[in-house]
Parts: sequence; structure tokens; C-alpha cells
Amino acid sequence: AQTVTQSQPEMSVQEAETVTLSCTYDTSESDYYLFWYKQPPSRQMILVIRQEAYKQQNATENRFSVNFQKAAKSFSLKISDSQLGDAAMYYCAYRSGSLYGKLIFGQGTELSVKP
Amino acid sequence: DTAVSQTPKYLVTQMGNDKSIKCEQNLGHDTMYWYKQDSKKFLKIMFSYNNKELIINETVPNRFSPKSPDKAHLNLHINSLELGDSAVYFCASSFGTGGAWAFFGQGTRLTVV
Repeated sequence: AQTVTQSQPEMSVQEAETVTLSCTYDTSESDYYLFWYKQPPSRQMILVIRQEAYKQQNATENRFSVNFQKAAKSFSLKISDSQLGDAAMYYCAYRSGSLYGKLIFGQGTELSVKP
Repeated sequence: DTAVSQTPKYLVTQMGNDKSIKCEQNLGHDTMYWYKQDSKKFLKIMFSYNNKELIINETVPNRFSPKSPDKAHLNLHINSLELGDSAVYFCASSFGTGGAWAFFGQGTRLTVV
């Protein structure tokens, strides 16, 4: 069975600085997708970024980028120029490439941003 | 126009009651899900439906019964509510293909007293 592990329950960053959230996963599949979701205090789950396992190039979305290390099964999220609005719970998630694959989430990392 | 909408957003009820949570999506997705977020904020899938057909049924007590009248709706009915059912329940939808990301509703915070 696939598992996702986020070993940092809490992280803190100074506004305008850069922070990296860690995620590792375990799978025997070759076709899969990885995601980072953000959950602010409003409770809404928001997709931050998505990575296809077959792509070597790391995904980027504005200030958000990932470091995808397939052999190490590592998928970290880097947030540059952190803003107060980035404060949230961040979840790493795995989805199989097969039809109807479910999202498997890590335990989450609570990110606080200090002004 | 909300993409995935759940009602109600908050639900407080007594032990032993039966309650329902409704979910609707207007994204044209063919797959819908129910996730449970526990007190430690851990998210776990409960059910998945594709075109009204049950695809995933995790180890969930049979007091929980999902119903999908059409592919745009997935409701969750809970019988004989227990204190341990208190959680936030999220509805989500996506296309069934593996790479598709899921869109989530705002969640329903269920409190059983």
C-alpha cells in the first residue's frame, strides 16, 4: 500500500524568506502523481502544485516550486518570498495513475509566517 | 459560482441521531469522494463514486451510507451517530483519470454531543 509521510508537524518562516516543507512517499507503482494542497484557517482545501512522476522537470507555480527526487521518493515544497497569506496547513498527497485512484494524504505541516 | 458545495457547513447533533450531508459539484466531473478529517487534521478517504457507481469503500462503519443520485451529487447519510464521528467531512470531485486533481468542498464540521 502507498503511504505519504510529512515529518515536520510545524514550520515557521519569516515574511519574505524561503521555506521548504518535506514529504516522502512509498509506492511500488511507476505511474503516479504527487500534489501539495493548502488548507488555510477557512478550511478550504486548495491545490498548490502538481507533479507527474514521469516528468523529470520540477513543477513550479509562481512562488511555489517542488524538488522531486523520484529515486529517493521525496517531494518537497519550496515557498519563496513567503507572505502572511501563506500561513496554513500544507498536505502532501499521492494519487495512483490508474483509473479512479484515491488521494492519499500525509499528516500535514502547519506553516506559520512571522511578520 | 461554487464548484463543489456542501451543506450544511456546521452540524451539531446528539448521539444516536441520524443526519445527512449533501454535496453537489458543477464541474462536470465523473468521480466524487468523501474524506474525513479527524481531530489531528489527518485526511482519509471514506468513499469514492464514479458515474453513480461505488468505486472505493474504505473500512468505514456501515452506519455511514453514501448515495449518489447522479454524477453531480454525492450525499452522506450517517445513522446512530456516535461521539467518535465528530470530525470535518469533505466532499471532493475530479475526473476519474489518474492525474486529475481533486476539487474540495468547504467541509462540514460535525459535532456529536
